[in-house]
Amino acid sequence: SQQGEEDPQALSIQEGENATMNCSYKTSINNLQWYRQNSGRGLVHLILIRSNEREKHSGRLRVTLDTSKKSSSLLITASRAADTASYFCVIQGAQKLVFGQGTRLTINP
Amino acid sequence: EAGVAQSPRYKIIEKRQSVAFWCNPISGHATLYWYQQILGQGPKLLIQFQNNGVVDDSQLPKDRFSAERLKGVDSTLKIQPAKLEDSAVYLCASSLLSGRTDTQYFGPGTRLTVL
Repeated sequence: SQQGEEDPQALSIQEGENATMNCSYKTSINNLQWYRQNSGRGLVHLILIRSNEREKHSGRLRVTLDTSKKSSSLLITASRAADTASYFCVIQGAQKLVFGQGTRLTINP
Repeated sequence: EAGVAQSPRYKIIEKRQSVAFWCNPISGHATLYWYQQILGQGPKLLIQFQNNGVVDDSQLPKDRFSAERLKGVDSTLKIQPAKLEDSAVYLCASSLLSGRTDTQYFGPGTRLTVL
């Protein structure tokens, strides 16, 4: 399957803490993307990391990619209540964009 | 810049009825996607258009689902007849180019309930 698998399925932390989500996949990829989905803003693209990149930053987000282990991680630093959402790891292979099942992140005040 | 527009936002129908969803992508975006998202799952790609041609419809249940993108702009997705398992949110997305390394911009979705 080309689908990425996020871990954990659900994560609950206190506001201000860091949140780490992981994604594993089985096939070769062109790139890997992370999306966020919440009820307020719908599904939104966060960051894209190409297969030849190892780490990428965007604001409070840090994404790593280890193609030898076929895994990626998304780190959100200094979490805020607005970060409460589902986060999807999206594998892009030859043509398709395949979403995983997502990690449900809850930030507690 | 206006985002991806979808209508209706909500639809409730009886099984075996027909339903249609409409999507207007971001102006100038060549690629348009329809996804089905069942509660608790990630979105599943149903069909991908490049301008008005179909790039991928391998996961579209063609016995009941159909989609078109006339003139390479707006698109409609139709279900006829609907089944209970079609209850889901139907998301439309668009991207500027072919989508291989391109960001997809999603609409708010249409929540379909089949009774």
